[in-house]
Amino acid sequence: EVKLVESGGGLVQPGGSLRLSCAASGMSVSSYAMSWVRQAPGQGLEWVSVISGSGLYTHYADSVKGRFTISRDNSQETNFLQLSSLRVEDTAVYYCAKRHRRGWLQSDFFFDLWGRGTLVIVSS
Amino acid sequence: DIRMTQSPSSVSASVGDTVSITCRASQVISNLLAWYQQKPGRAPSLLIYAASSLQRGVPSRFSGSGSGTNFTLTIGGLQPEDFATYYCQQGNSFPFTFGPGTKVDFK
Repeated sequence: EVKLVESGGGLVQPGGSLRLSCAASGMSVSSYAMSWVRQAPGQGLEWVSVISGSGLYTHYADSVKGRFTISRDNSQETNFLQLSSLRVEDTAVYYCAKRHRRGWLQSDFFFDLWGRGTLVIVSS
Repeated sequence: DIRMTQSPSSVSASVGDTVSITCRASQVISNLLAWYQQKPGRAPSLLIYAASSLQRGVPSRFSGSGSGTNFTLTIGGLQPEDFATYYCQQGNSFPFTFGPGTKVDFK
């Protein structure tokens, strides 16, 4: 079975940090861009960040730019999202998602495989 | 950033009904639009990509159409497992953006 499994969520105080992980199994995702998408309680989906298969290219939503860092270790089939300077409004379930096709230069970015998510709660 | 809107925000329907959901982009995105289904407590799942291409394993009662700025998801013959929230997403340019969602519930 092909799946993505997120981990690393938890309760953290405002200003704190967390490192989320997303481990792939059942297939190699090293050729695929990987994204993080979050969902605040009772709210819709918000795209957060993406990293190319090589790890050389990244993009972020303005709401997290300068505070979150995406990275990957293809030898471990794992990507990471480092969350820093956390705010109450960062509270959400964070999903890892795989791009539906290999490559980076094509403009069509859709996500065909999602993990079950990991909950981040930012509260004092 | 490209802003995505959806209508209606919710729709009440019965098993067997045909339901259509509209998604609009604030600028032209060609056919670079996807539809996702999300059930409570679950991750989203891809239904349609490139506006009208059915994702492998998705029932053929789901169909998508549109190009440019206006798109439609149609569920022909609603089944009990289709009661969920549906999101559109533009895949044209960073930052990728989702619509606010349309909840399909029991009439």
